[in-house]
Amino acid sequence: TQLLEQSPQFLSIQEGENLTVYCNSSSVFSSLQWYRQEPGEGPVLLVTVVTGGEVKKLKRLTFQFGDARKDSSLHITAAQPGDTGLYLCAGGSRNAGNMLTFGGGTRLMVKP
Amino acid sequence: DTGVSQNPRHKITKRGQNVTFRCDPISEHNRLYWYRQTLGQGPEFLTYFQNEAQLEKSRLLSDRFSAERPKGSFSTLEIQRTEQGDSAMYLCASSAAGAGNTIYFGEGSWLTVV
Repeated sequence: TQLLEQSPQFLSIQEGENLTVYCNSSSVFSSLQWYRQEPGEGPVLLVTVVTGGEVKKLKRLTFQFGDARKDSSLHITAAQPGDTGLYLCAGGSRNAGNMLTFGGGTRLMVKP
Repeated sequence: DTGVSQNPRHKITKRGQNVTFRCDPISEHNRLYWYRQTLGQGPEFLTYFQNEAQLEKSRLLSDRFSAERPKGSFSTLEIQRTEQGDSAMYLCASSAAGAGNTIYFGEGSWLTVV
């Protein structure tokens, strides 16, 4: 069974601070996706990384896939209240029909 | 077509009743997935279709749950004899084969069993 552990589970910070969310596994994934989810809504895809060591930037968000494709991180610079939400990482396996295994999520609150 | 569509968005039902959720995937996507998410947790995989074939089922999918995708387009998820523990958000997602594992989710269907 593939498992993904996210840390921290909860994070409350002030506007303007930086933060990093981690996603770790003992399993190798063919891809890693990051989603953001608002209460009562479905997850919205932020980024997909597929190559070990890959770094992708989306405005103030920087995503990295570990060299061994077992872990990933999401770094947010100068967080804003609009960044508040649940951040989910999900590992994909080509051998399992692209089925995703999700981490438990990191609930971020950015206070003005 | 702008995304994965699910309905109803919310359903409140009495314990023991049957409920059915519908999912319309992104039109060119041949893969369709159902996930379940409870409060404070990440989504958990339930089942997966490629076209009309159901290729994978999780152990979470008890015999009270049945999913179909008869024509390889929309899908339904039926829960029979609902229990309070079935209360959750049921998420549908779709992807194209060989799309680098990019999966897009619908907005979910909230089920509350009272």
